[in-house]
Amino acid sequence: AQSVTQLGSHVSVSEGALVLLRCNYSSSVPPYLFWYVQYPNQGLQLLLKYTSAATLVKGINGFEAEFKKSETSFHLTKPSAHMSDAAEYFCAVRTSGAGSYQLTFGKGTKLSVIP
Amino acid sequence: DAMVIQNPRYQVTQFGKPVTLSCSQTLNHNVMYWYQQKSSQAPKLLFHYYDKDFNNEADTPDNFQSRRPNTSFCFLDIRSPGLGDAAMYLCATSRGGGKDSPLHFGNGTRLTVT
Repeated sequence: AQSVTQLGSHVSVSEGALVLLRCNYSSSVPPYLFWYVQYPNQGLQLLLKYTSAATLVKGINGFEAEFKKSETSFHLTKPSAHMSDAAEYFCAVRTSGAGSYQLTFGKGTKLSVIP
Repeated sequence: DAMVIQNPRYQVTQFGKPVTLSCSQTLNHNVMYWYQQKSSQAPKLLFHYYDKDFNNEADTPDNFQSRRPNTSFCFLDIRSPGLGDAAMYLCATSRGGGKDSPLHFGNGTRLTVT
């Protein structure tokens, strides 16, 4: 079964520092991977998705992620953290299920940005 | 803007008292999903509609039901809420159920059970 594992439930960075949120996937077939962001008391917003077209995927708000098959990873990065990036981030993979492909989430990583 | 709208944002119900949460969408997507998200946890899929076809996850309790009267609306009914059902309930849509179709989420309804 396909799944994702997010390393680190909580990450703190200083404003202006590099953001690195880790996600590893487990899949026997090429995965379709997504990163979502969730601000407090809100729904999830799509940051970016990997669908095998390019290994380096650029998303919104300056985030990007690189698909590395050899490392089974899809880590999310941003060169310079902003206070507004403080949120919870979920890595997700499309998995086959009843009727269609379902979206299965990792446990999430809460990002804190220190001024 | 096309979007997924959930009402209400906050819902308080009493233990055992039926409650209905609503979701509407202007994206004209044919797939609609209901997720349950408990505090500090990942969203968990309860069920989804692919067009009119209802698909229940194997571990979704019978206490949870859903209705989709038309393409735009979907409802989550909790027949007898327990304290353990307190959570954020997220509605999402997608165009088709393919692997590369992203989900579009509403802002959720936070359910409190007293």
